[in-house]
Amino acid sequence: DGGITQSPKYLFRKEGQNVTLSCEQNLNHDAMYWYRQDPGQGLRLIYYSQIVNDFQKGDIAEGYSVSREKKESFPLTVTSAQKNPTAFYLCASSTAVNTEAFFGQGTRLTVV
Amino acid sequence: EDQVTQSPEALRLQEGESSSLNCSYTVSGLRGLFWYRQDPGKGPEFLFTLYSAGEEKEKERLKATLTKKESFLHITAPKPEDSATYLCAVHGWTQGGSEKLVFGKGTKLTVNP
Repeated sequence: DGGITQSPKYLFRKEGQNVTLSCEQNLNHDAMYWYRQDPGQGLRLIYYSQIVNDFQKGDIAEGYSVSREKKESFPLTVTSAQKNPTAFYLCASSTAVNTEAFFGQGTRLTVV
Repeated sequence: EDQVTQSPEALRLQEGESSSLNCSYTVSGLRGLFWYRQDPGKGPEFLFTLYSAGEEKEKERLKATLTKKESFLHITAPKPEDSATYLCAVHGWTQGGSEKLVFGKGTKLTVNP
């Protein structure tokens, strides 16, 4: 079954910690994205990648980092520099940038 | 200033009561308009892509249409399982001069049996 897998589904972070969210796809898509979703707001783009070993900042990249060492994988690290990390994080992929995207089931990150 | 505006924010319908959701946009040079469905606690699910004014797409009880500055998602004889948040995203050129994909805030649809 082709799709996008995000893990974990729920994640708790202590103040000052870095945490990494996993995203894997087996759709053979070139483009991958990370979005943040907060109540009452539209999805906001954190980072995106058009191809392996290349990625670009989105609208709210500060406090986040990514890597794209394999076509299938696009992990997101939420660093301690991100002051308000509690949110629902969504990973997506598409055949090319800004075409119809397929989303994972999301990771809900909570700072404790 | 919102570049993609969805209305209403929330809509309650009785089962079988048809209605429409609106997505209006100010981005220029439209490259594509996308509709997604999102269930609570889940990722969005792709529904439709529209590219040019006059285009229509249908899937079961849903029909999406596009004009030059807005899109409608028509829901005919909805069922309780159609309850979800419907998201609109627009790919085009923003007022700031950059090419972007911008999501609206969504319309939360509740269909009562």
